[in-house]
Amino acid sequence: TQLLEQSPQFLSIQEGENLTVYCNSSSVFSSLQWYRQEPGEGPVLLVTVVTGGEVKKLKRLTFQFGDARKDSSLHITAAQPGDTGLYLCAGDGGTASKLTFGTGTRLQVTL
Amino acid sequence: GAGVSQSPSNKVTEKGKDVELRCDPISGHTALYWYRQSLGQGLEFLIYFQGNSAPDKSGLPSDRFSAERTGGSVSTLTIQRTQQEDSAVYLCASSLAAGGPYEQYFGPGTRLTVT
Repeated sequence: TQLLEQSPQFLSIQEGENLTVYCNSSSVFSSLQWYRQEPGEGPVLLVTVVTGGEVKKLKRLTFQFGDARKDSSLHITAAQPGDTGLYLCAGDGGTASKLTFGTGTRLQVTL
Repeated sequence: GAGVSQSPSNKVTEKGKDVELRCDPISGHTALYWYRQSLGQGLEFLIYFQGNSAPDKSGLPSDRFSAERTGGSVSTLTIQRTQQEDSAVYLCASSLAAGGPYEQYFGPGTRLTVT
């Protein structure tokens, strides 16, 4: 069974601070996705990383896929209240299309 | 175009009753997925469809759970003889096709409460 552990589980920070969320597994994934979910809504895809060592930037968000394709990180620079939400990583094991979701990181950014 | 829609948005049922949850995927998406999410946690895979067939049912928790898809479009997830541990948000997603890093588009979910 493939498992994805995220840390931290909860994060409460003030506007303007930087933060990093980690997604770790003992399994190798062919690709990894990051989603953000707001209350009462389904997750929305932020990015997909497919190459070991890949780094993708999306405005203030930087995503990295580990060299061994077992782990990933999400770094947010100068967090804003609009970044508040549940962040989920999800790995594609390469068989069929079943995604394995991480345990989630709940981020709250206050003024 | 319209996104993934789910109905009902909320369902409260008594233990032992059957419930049906509906998912309307994005038009033209051949793959459809069902997940379960408990208390703001990560998502638990239940089943996915490619067209009307379900190649992977491995995530269904018990034989009380079943799902079908008709016409390559609408899907229904049925839970028979509901139990309190079935309480969760049930999310549906669709993608252009199965396999590969295709983006999955999620619906808003159905919040099921079993009393």
